[in-house]
Amino acid sequence: KAGVTQTPRYLIKTRGQQVTLSCSPISGHRSVSWYQQTPGQGLQFLFEYFSETQRNKGNFPGRFSGRQFSNSRSEMNVSTLELGDSALYLCASSLAGSRFSPLHFGNGTRLTVT
Amino acid sequence: AQTVTQSQPEMSVQEAETVTLSCTYDTSENNYYLFWYKQPPSRQMILVIRQEAYKQQNATENRFSVNFQKAAKSFSLKISDSQLGDTAMYFCAFGGQNYGGSQGNLIFGKGTKLSVKP
Repeated sequence: KAGVTQTPRYLIKTRGQQVTLSCSPISGHRSVSWYQQTPGQGLQFLFEYFSETQRNKGNFPGRFSGRQFSNSRSEMNVSTLELGDSALYLCASSLAGSRFSPLHFGNGTRLTVT
Repeated sequence: AQTVTQSQPEMSVQEAETVTLSCTYDTSENNYYLFWYKQPPSRQMILVIRQEAYKQQNATENRFSVNFQKAAKSFSLKISDSQLGDTAMYFCAFGGQNYGGSQGNLIFGKGTKLSVKP
């Protein structure tokens, strides 16, 4: 079974631009979560989607948004990029509905904002 | 709010020896889930072991085991017979009683960087 796939692996953007990251979950997984990882703050939860609906959101500004498609693939978008948005963005999928279901992570997208 | 604390930013161990990574958490919930994840230089987070709070028996997965002390809110990871491939960042994570539902996010500690030396 293929794992969680995130594209692209690396991105370099300029301050003020916007960016879209993509995540394809494991086949059959209906929940997709996004995390931001930085050396200072560690892993911070961004949002979670289930059946095309955002059902949980972390404490991030409205510049961070996402969506999920009918095939469970998900995208996240960051508008008006700031230097502090430089981070590793991790996507994870899980078998929603199973309370002990762990998160399965992708390799992440490394975003650098200059 | 729940918090997860990993007090050891870095640790090292000789190959074939045993090492224990510490994790404490704070919660008022009674039913929750705890996880250890490993992140090697490849960046992919890999599940190492998981524990349900209502199960008193400590979880074990091959060379990895946990010491779960619910009253003390402690969840340490023991790695036996350490191997070079165990070199990675290790994260402790907490899933509340609503984990898997509408409050389904995990809360992660800051991580412990483990180096296994030959």
